Amino acid sequence: KQEVTQIPAALSVPEGENLVLNCSFTDSAIYNLQWFRQDPGKGLTSLLLIQSSQREQTSGRLNASLDKSSGRSTLYIAASQPGDSATYLCAVMDSNYQLIWGAGTKLIIKP
Amino acid sequence: ETGVTQSPTHLIKTRGQQVTLRCSSQSGHNTVSWYQQALGQGPQFIFQYYREEENGRGNFPPRFSGLQFPNYSSELNVNALELDDSALYLCASSLATGAGAEAFFGQGTRLTVV
Repeated sequence: KQEVTQIPAALSVPEGENLVLNCSFTDSAIYNLQWFRQDPGKGLTSLLLIQSSQREQTSGRLNASLDKSSGRSTLYIAASQPGDSATYLCAVMDSNYQLIWGAGTKLIIKP
Repeated sequence: ETGVTQSPTHLIKTRGQQVTLRCSSQSGHNTVSWYQQALGQGPQFIFQYYREEENGRGNFPPRFSGLQFPNYSSELNVNALELDDSALYLCASSLATGAGAEAFFGQGTRLTVV
């Protein structure tokens, strides 16, 4: 059974710092991995999608990497800003084309 | 191009009642998935519809049922509501199912069962 874990559960850093969020999964048989952002009480905004054959994807200040063999992905945020404060979730698409989710990392960027 | 929209945004129901949540998929998307997200947790997959047929189901009891219409909009029905059904219900649409499908989410419906 696929399980997705995100560490840390919460993170608070000063504005301007670069930071890394971690996501691990137990079964390497995935089709893709997707990172999302969720603001309090809101829906999910897709940030980056990495296909299983890819190693990384970049969008602006965000860079996501995927190491399928070790079951790990990282989301790198450069030059963090207060507007980046949110909960970040990763999800893997399993062999049944279902998204399996981590519990998220709550990120607070202090001005 | 319109995004994924869900209605209503908030809902309060009494235990034992029935509820219907609605989702309009993004223009051109033929696949809709429904998720339940309890407070402080990641979403849990309920089921997926592809071209009006159920195309996968998570570990939810039969009182959770769904429907997809010819225009690819969808409904989630929950019968005999329980207190633990209180959660944010999220709908996602994608263009076809499969490995390349990127999911786009609506803003969710917050259901409170009292």
